[in-house]
Amino acid sequence: DAKTTQPTSMDCAEGRAANLPCNHSTISGNEYVYWYRQIHSQGPQYIIHGLKNNETNEMASLIITEDRKSSTLILPHATLRDTAVYYCIVRVRETSGTYKYIFGTGTRLKVLA
Amino acid sequence: SQTIHQWPATLVQPVGSPLSLECTVEGTSNPNLYWYRQAAGRGLQLLFYSVGIGQISSEVPQNLSASRPQDRQFILSSKKLLLSDSGFYLCAWSRGPLTDTQYFGPGTRLTVL
Repeated sequence: DAKTTQPTSMDCAEGRAANLPCNHSTISGNEYVYWYRQIHSQGPQYIIHGLKNNETNEMASLIITEDRKSSTLILPHATLRDTAVYYCIVRVRETSGTYKYIFGTGTRLKVLA
Repeated sequence: SQTIHQWPATLVQPVGSPLSLECTVEGTSNPNLYWYRQAAGRGLQLLFYSVGIGQISSEVPQNLSASRPQDRQFILSSKKLLLSDSGFYLCAWSRGPLTDTQYFGPGTRLTVL
């Protein structure tokens, strides 16, 4: 069961910010939100993750709402190479102590020249 | 630095034939290891995960099996392939339960004819 809901597809103009929304209304208090992207026929690439606070790294920013029911991934200056499928994932903890990612179907982002 | 390898990159097999996909991780010890499958146009589905040598947890019933004969080696197998086994198979690793970002390999594209 996917714990996240994302739009199927989005377009963004090159050089503009890409804002990718994700709904995770059933997230539990200790479950992290992760973002990955997958370029066609490659393995998913880690982007960023967070629990409560907003996060930023060299690739993107992650904005999590105060109630943690949704988040937005921001690519500040999208380039053509950012065209990919972006997955918003909730990480759940198993009773064994390991962690499992619950993948949804992702958002296909197309960056337009 | 850590790297993850998968082979073969592509594979075409007839229905009823056996399968063996291999995943190895370099540059870390005692990783958690994962096998995912991605059907065409779909998100990732977790198949198996392992927290140590000989320890395998199965997520979905199927005709696939997994084994971990060495610390950094994870193998996905089948005795008799079905058409429905076609897909993109991804291996991933993570350091452990406290810092559990998963890093994916390049994947194996399997076509069963």
